[in-house]
Amino acid sequence: DADVTQTPRNRITKTGKRIMLECSQTKGHDRMYWYRQDPGLGLRLIYYSFDVKDINKGEISDGYSVSRQAQAKFSLSLESAIPNQTALYFCATQPTANYGYTFGSGTRLTVV
Amino acid sequence: AQTVTQSQPEMSVQEAETVTLSCTYDTSESNYYLFWYKQPPSRQMILVIRQEAYKQQNATENRFSVNFQKAAKSFSLKISDSQLGDTAMYFCAFRTGANNLFFGTGTRLTVIP
Repeated sequence: DADVTQTPRNRITKTGKRIMLECSQTKGHDRMYWYRQDPGLGLRLIYYSFDVKDINKGEISDGYSVSRQAQAKFSLSLESAIPNQTALYFCATQPTANYGYTFGSGTRLTVV
Repeated sequence: AQTVTQSQPEMSVQEAETVTLSCTYDTSESNYYLFWYKQPPSRQMILVIRQEAYKQQNATENRFSVNFQKAAKSFSLKISDSQLGDTAMYFCAFRTGANNLFFGTGTRLTVIP
C-alpha cells in the first residue's frame, strides 16, 4: 500500500456541488498539506496542518475548507465547486520541518 | 516573500547525455532548504535531491547533482547519463525555517532516444 493515499484518483463534478477529497497516510507524520497544481503555475498551497488541532490557511484557501480527523487523515472540501477549481490536487506529509515532503498520487478534479 | 523561478519551460536531451536545469530563488533568510522534485507522466511527485543552505558541499544522488551558488541564489540540477525514464516535469522548491515549500513553475524535460 502507498504511504500517502488520495481518493478519488479522478473526479468529475458539476458546478455548485460539494465535494470532498480524502488523504490518508501510514507514515506517522504530524505535518500534512494540500496543494493544487495548474499548468504553468506549479504547486500552490491551499491548507496545512501541523497536528490534529492545528489548521492553517495557505496562499489560495478561498473556496476550500479542510478537516484533520486524525493524525493520519486530512480531507479537503470544496463547498460549492466552480470551474476554475479544475486542477490536480496533491496531499503531502512531512515528519518535521527539516525534511522534504512525501506526496500522494494526486486527485484530478474537473468541474463542469 | 519567497519566490522560486524556473526560466526554462521545456528542455530536451539525447539519451546518455548530460542536461542542466536552472532554478533561482529569492529570500532574505540565511537558513533554508532547497529541493528538486520529479513528476513523471504517472503524476507522482518524487523527491530527487535536497540541499541545506548551510552546507557548502553540493548534494549528489547517483546521476543527479546540484550546483548550489548561495551568493547568486542559484540551484541548478544536473542529470548525467540521461535515461528515458528521466522524462518528466521537474520542480524546484524552496523553504525557509518552519515555513512551507514554495514551488517553481516547472521544467518539462524530454529525453530523446
